[in-house]
Amino acid sequence: GENVEQHPSTLSVQEGDSAVIKCTYSDSASNYFPWYKQELGKRPQLIIDIRSNVGEKKDQRIAVTLNKTAKHFSLHITETQPEDSAVYFCAARGQAGTALIFGKGTTLSVSS
Amino acid sequence: GAVVSQHPSRVICKSGTSVKIECRSLDFQATTMFWYRQFPKQSLMLMATSNEGSKATYEQGVEKDKFLINHASLTLSTLTVTSAHPEDSSFYICSARVRGEEQYFGPGTRLTVT
Repeated sequence: GENVEQHPSTLSVQEGDSAVIKCTYSDSASNYFPWYKQELGKRPQLIIDIRSNVGEKKDQRIAVTLNKTAKHFSLHITETQPEDSAVYFCAARGQAGTALIFGKGTTLSVSS
Repeated sequence: GAVVSQHPSRVICKSGTSVKIECRSLDFQATTMFWYRQFPKQSLMLMATSNEGSKATYEQGVEKDKFLINHASLTLSTLTVTSAHPEDSSFYICSARVRGEEQYFGPGTRLTVT
């Protein structure tokens, strides 16, 4: 089955800096790669996603890139703000209809 | 967007008792729902895939006789933790996929076994 690795586990940046989180996946059949933000005790919130037929997607300060050949994808957050502080999870879905498999998460801390 | 609810949001039970968690899709029909477990400061781990009208598919290492899943209708899936022990204390989250790829998550249930 699918296996997702995520790095780093913790990331501390100054307000205004950029943050990058990287993930790799194992199943070459995976075709959907969402990123979630989770605050303590809350459900994961989808912040951006990308499908395997696209190499890059951007939504305001957030962007995701996908390299299918290398089987890795990354989340980029620019101009970070304190409210970006949270745990971020990458995920991947293999065959259609199967569940998302999550990375171990990255705790992002943005200090002002 | 699609809304998934869970009940209860928090539950405390004594060791040895059973607890049922409900997951409902409020504005759509979900033929497939997924159950995840999340321990403190850890990731969401897939426990099982729940299919309406058929037996659930459990992930390796998840005891099907301990975590009973029933998906009796297109809007309701239940997870029953039987003979709960303190190590079962965790955050249980269900999710459902509508059309397309996005997976919608319930708000989660915090289970504490004393």
